[in-house]
Amino acid sequence: NAGVTQTPKFQVLKTGQSMTLQCAQDMNHNSMYWYRQDPGMGLRLIYYSASEGTTDKGEVPNGYNVSRLNKREFSLRLESAAPSQTSVYFCASSPHTGTGGLGEQYFGPGTRLTVT
Amino acid sequence: AQKITQTQPGMFVQEKEAVTLDCTYDTSDQSYGLFWYKQPSSGEMIFLIYQGSYDEQNATEGRYSLNFQKARKSANLVISASQLGDSAMYFCAMRYTWGGRRALTFGSGTRLQVQP
Repeated sequence: NAGVTQTPKFQVLKTGQSMTLQCAQDMNHNSMYWYRQDPGMGLRLIYYSASEGTTDKGEVPNGYNVSRLNKREFSLRLESAAPSQTSVYFCASSPHTGTGGLGEQYFGPGTRLTVT
Repeated sequence: AQKITQTQPGMFVQEKEAVTLDCTYDTSDQSYGLFWYKQPSSGEMIFLIYQGSYDEQNATEGRYSLNFQKARKSANLVISASQLGDSAMYFCAMRYTWGGRRALTFGSGTRLQVQP
């Protein structure tokens, strides 16, 4: 099992450019998440998907869009990148949804994004 | 609103000694879960240990134990017999639910350095 995979690992964008971060999991998990991690801070939730076809905004959704393409894949799109979006982006998945189970999440290796 | 506070930005410990990483939380929910994650310099997030709010006994996983004091709203991580490979960032997180959905909120982390 590869677990949670993310592409690319590194990306440099110019202000105003767009890009999509890809995430896939092979653990048959229902829930998937996108977080950002800024220096000296913990992870903050951008978007969440409880199942295919459903998405919800998290704590910091502005400037981002997501697509839950199928059960395995959850992509994050920056339509017009800004320097404030320079961060490390983590995708995660969880076997649990709703109120059942522990709710532990398994993380991908992260994408380090720099916007100049 | 849920909040996790980690007041120790950095900690040092000698190899083979025990160390406690502090975590306090704030929530009005009756049912919640507390997690610890390890983030080594390579960047991935590794799930270490879980404590449910209704669990009466402290969780243990190998050299990791969680000192859960519900009345004080604290969930400290204890690492026994520290090893050089324990050097990493450690994040405390809390599961919260809203409208049948669930996510994690993270503290700002503690950087642990194990010295030989």
